[in-house]
Amino acid sequence: DSGVTQTPKHLITATGQRVTLRCSPRSGDLSVYWYQQSLDQGLQFLIQYYNGEERAKGNILERFSAQQFPDLHSELNLSSLELGDSALYFCASSVSGVAGNTIYFGEGSWLTVV
Amino acid sequence: AQSVTQLGSHVSVSEGALVLLRCNYSSSVPPYLFWYVQYPNQGLQLLLKYTSAATLVKGINGFEAEFKKSETSFHLTKPSAHMSDAAEYFCAVMGRSQGNLIFGKGTKLSVKP
Repeated sequence: DSGVTQTPKHLITATGQRVTLRCSPRSGDLSVYWYQQSLDQGLQFLIQYYNGEERAKGNILERFSAQQFPDLHSELNLSSLELGDSALYFCASSVSGVAGNTIYFGEGSWLTVV
Repeated sequence: AQSVTQLGSHVSVSEGALVLLRCNYSSSVPPYLFWYVQYPNQGLQLLLKYTSAATLVKGINGFEAEFKKSETSFHLTKPSAHMSDAAEYFCAVMGRSQGNLIFGKGTKLSVKP
């Protein structure tokens, strides 16, 4: 158990809909990351937050947005969903989000778009 | 920009045989390097991490990796495979000025009895 908690574990939704994935980082970690894992794209970095502020952005679509709240939990919002958005979405956390930090991953949220 | 290449999307070994999973990185400055393992229907678990303190890094479950700057490699090895090692293994790079990981495509390890 990494200490990173993600909900829901599984989600099935229709095209065009909007979903929210939630993440609680490990106790004491200030930085949160979101990754997408799909068969064709592999593991892709989406976005990183540190103490509520966006720190780095990767291959995140404009239809997707994220935020980190004052209690340090984070949410990833996915809107106008397409079939290709079906994937495993990981949240991860680290102590301070700087180079060299170990990043710990949650179990992931499986999203299926039908 | 940093990147990693994992040679072989699928490796199969016999139980008790040597495990060798290959990873080459691309970076102008030696980066931080990581190996993660993903068991079926589970998240990513850190196996080991290179931070430049030592070129031979020992990790969990008997795995180790050696950083070779001249070859820009960070191959993962285990002397004797166990059935429980069957999983997907990911090599990842983190630049010296960034805090996020860039992953390779992964290598699925199968262990035959």
